[in-house]
Amino acid sequence: EDQVTQSPEALRLQEGESSSLNCSYTVSGLRGLFWYRQDPGKGPEFLFTLYSAGEEKEKERLKATLTKKESFLHITAPKPEDSATYLCAVQADNYGQNFVFGPGTRLSVLP
Amino acid sequence: EAGVTQSPTHLIKTRGQQVTLRCSPISGHTSVYWYQQALGLGLQFLLWYDEGEERNRGNFPPRFSGRQFPNYSSELNVNALELEDSALYLCASSSGQRYGYTFGSGTRLTVV
Repeated sequence: EDQVTQSPEALRLQEGESSSLNCSYTVSGLRGLFWYRQDPGKGPEFLFTLYSAGEEKEKERLKATLTKKESFLHITAPKPEDSATYLCAVQADNYGQNFVFGPGTRLSVLP
Repeated sequence: EAGVTQSPTHLIKTRGQQVTLRCSPISGHTSVYWYQQALGLGLQFLLWYDEGEERNRGNFPPRFSGRQFPNYSSELNVNALELEDSALYLCASSSGQRYGYTFGSGTRLTVV
C-alpha cells in the first residue's frame, strides 16, 4: 500500500538549535516530492520540489534532500518565525496528477 | 500576479444545509484541486478539475461535487452538511505535472 509518513509529529526547538524533519514514502514510480510550509488557518506555501535521489535544494535556513525512500528537511539555526507545520507531498505514477500529502510535522521554535 | 483566491473565507452552516465554495486559480493555470483539512488531520484530496472536466475524485461521498467554468474558476458544492464536514477547504491550482500546487488561503467551514 502506498504511504507517505512524516516524523516527528511535533518538534520543539530552541532558537538556533538545528534539526531535521523526515518524510518517508512507499510509492511506485515517484515523479516528485514536494515540501510545503503551512501557518495556522492558512493554505500551504510551496518550498521545494525534488525529483531524483541525491538531489538537494536550499532556501535560507532550509535544506531539502531526497533518497530513494525518504526526504529530509534540515533546518539550520532556526528562528521563531520558522514555527509552522511542514508538509511533504508525493506525486507518483499511480496518482496521476494528484499529490498525496503526509500528515505534517508541527515545528515550534522558542526564543 | 494574483494568487489563488477563495471565497468566502469563513462560513457557518447548519447540519443538513447546502454550501458552495468558490475558487479562482492563478491566471494561466487550467487545473484546480480541492482538498479538505479537518482540524488536526492531514490534507485529504477531494476533486481535480482540468479544462472543465472532472479528472479524479478522492474517497468522499457523492454529496461532495463541483464544477469548473470556462474561465477555469471552480465551485465546490457540499449537500446535506454533516458535523464532520467542518474543516478548512483548500483550493490549489497548477500549471503542469512537474510543478507544485499553489494554494489559496482556504475557506473555513463550520457546521453546527
